[in-house]
Amino acid sequence: AQTVTQSQPEMSVQEAETVTLSCTYDTSESDYYLFWYKQPPSRQMILVIRQEAYKQQNATENRFSVNFQKAAKSFSLKISDSQLGDAAMYFCAYRSGRTYKYIFGTGTRLKVLA
Amino acid sequence: DAGVTQSPTHLIKTRGQQVTLRCSPKSGHDTVSWYQQALGQGPQFIFQYYEEEERQRGNFPDRFSGHQFPNYSSELNVNALLLGDSALYLCASSFSPHSNQPQHFGDGTRLSIL
Repeated sequence: AQTVTQSQPEMSVQEAETVTLSCTYDTSESDYYLFWYKQPPSRQMILVIRQEAYKQQNATENRFSVNFQKAAKSFSLKISDSQLGDAAMYFCAYRSGRTYKYIFGTGTRLKVLA
Repeated sequence: DAGVTQSPTHLIKTRGQQVTLRCSPKSGHDTVSWYQQALGQGPQFIFQYYEEEERQRGNFPDRFSGHQFPNYSSELNVNALLLGDSALYLCASSFSPHSNQPQHFGDGTRLSIL
């Protein structure tokens, strides 16, 4: 069975600084997708970034980028130039390319300090 | 373009009662997935509906059941409520279960069991 582990329950970053959130996963599948979702207090899960396992190039979306290490089964999220609006719970998620099921980690609460 | 909408936003029930939660998918989406998110945890997959049938199911008892209507909207029913069913219930929609596009989430229904 696939698992997703986020080992940092909480992280803090100064406004305008850079922070990296960690995520590791376990799977025997070769076809899968990885996602980072943001959940602010408003509760809605918002997609931050996605990565297809077959792509070697790390995904980037504006200030958000990932470090995808397939062999190590690691998928970290880097947030550059952190803003107060980035404060939220961040969830790493795995989606099987075979069953299409999503598996979420336990989340990392990010605090942005002014 | 309406996103995923869920109702009600908050619900209070007592043990043993039954509850029905509702979800309307994002315009153009035909697949609906339901998740249970306990406090401080990541979302746990309950089941997925496509073409009015349950296509995938997570590790949840038969007390959790669902339905999808011809207009793609969906209901989640929970019978014989337990205290442990208290959680945020998230609905997510996508274009087909096999799409490479990510899911879009609603704001969730907060269910409290007394």
